[in-house]
Amino acid sequence: EVQLVESGGGLVQPGGSLRLSCAASGLTFSIYSMNWVRQAPGKGLEWVSGISGSGGSTYYAASVKGRFTISRDNSKKTLFLQMNNLRAADTAVYYCAKAAGTAVNTHASDYWGQGTLVTVSS
Amino acid sequence: QSVLTQPPSASGTPGQRVTISCSGSSSNIGSDTVNWYQQLPGTAPKLLIYDDNQRPSGVPARFSGSRSGTSASLAISGLQSEDEADYYCAAWDDSLNGWVFGGGTKLTVL
Repeated sequence: EVQLVESGGGLVQPGGSLRLSCAASGLTFSIYSMNWVRQAPGKGLEWVSGISGSGGSTYYAASVKGRFTISRDNSKKTLFLQMNNLRAADTAVYYCAKAAGTAVNTHASDYWGQGTLVTVSS
Repeated sequence: QSVLTQPPSASGTPGQRVTISCSGSSSNIGSDTVNWYQQLPGTAPKLLIYDDNQRPSGVPARFSGSRSGTSASLAISGLQSEDEADYYCAAWDDSLNGWVFGGGTKLTVL
């Protein structure tokens, strides 16, 4: 059974940093691209970033480009999101999602974690 | 404002058929397939339809999807109370080089 467990969320001041992790189990992790998707309180879904199975290709939403960095450690079956220069607008539940294939741009996200809440506030 | 446009709400009575629309442009729905996600209250999203009209294992046949031009739609037949949820469409956008979502449609079963 595929399981995705996010961690690393919390309260951070504007301008601060956080590193989210997503531990995967029950799958051959390196085969699949992975995504981060966030949901602000009471709002809809917003794709944040994606990374190919090998880690060689990364993609970012315009709203986070230059501030967030996605990476993965296939040996540890773990996905990361380094978030720098955080803003109030980044406050959201962050979901880790597994894609159904290797490429980020062609496969739907078929498994999702339960999410981790990031709150940016002074 | 979302790149893909969905009605904010929809409703129906048990047993009815309801449809939810999703409108985009040539850089997303017009050139790439559409996926639909269901989010029950307080839970993570779940993949409902992928590649326009394919159902993952375990999704009832009551759910179906279609795409034409720059629009897509999700149909739910034989509406049930447990279908009350938020529904999101998504597609890859070739211009933005990323996934784009609709704003979501809140389905109420009356």
